[in-house]
Amino acid sequence: QQQVKQSPQSLIVQKGGISIINCAYENTAFDYFPWYQQFPGKGPALLIAIRPDVSEKKEGRFTISFNKSAKQFSLHIMDSQPGDSATYFCATGSARQLTFGSGTQLTVLP
Amino acid sequence: NAGVTQTPKFQVLKTGQSMTLQCAQDMNHEYMSWYRQDPGMGLRLIHYSVGAGITDQGEVPNGYNVSRSTTEDFPLRLLSAAPSQTSVYFCASSDYRLNTEAFFGQGTRLTVV
Repeated sequence: QQQVKQSPQSLIVQKGGISIINCAYENTAFDYFPWYQQFPGKGPALLIAIRPDVSEKKEGRFTISFNKSAKQFSLHIMDSQPGDSATYFCATGSARQLTFGSGTQLTVLP
Repeated sequence: NAGVTQTPKFQVLKTGQSMTLQCAQDMNHEYMSWYRQDPGMGLRLIHYSVGAGITDQGEVPNGYNVSRSTTEDFPLRLLSAAPSQTSVYFCASSDYRLNTEAFFGQGTRLTVV
């Protein structure tokens, strides 16, 4: 089974700080790299996604950095807010069949 | 717009009992899937379907059964519940042709005692 390794498992950041979550993947055939955000008691929701033909994608305070040669991609949350406190999952594959990382529980302190 | 609707939200079963988790979507998506979420393990694919009448196994299919008679519905059946199936189950759907966002339901928390 294809692996997606996500780190760290948990992350505590002060309000206004930068949150960084990393993922490493194995299968170079995949062409879709999304990040999902999940609040307690809710289903995951797509936060931002990238295709491997670009190295970076930014949407508001959220940025994906993609390193194809290293088979790694990361999520950066700028100016982190308490409302960003949630569990974040990276994934690879396609929207039809996703392989998820183990998740990162982010806590942003006020 | 309801999106993906799962029922029930919570369920407690005794070992050996059977039940069906319901999933319905109103977005006319061909692709639907079931995941289970366990602490520290992310979401793992159980079964998926690319259209009515077509289903296939994912990473962890044992103990589960699915069928797809309509585009809208994709029920997950537990044939004989075991404590190892205690988990949170999520149904998802996506547009097969566009290969973009997967939409998830709010989940069913299942406890098998």
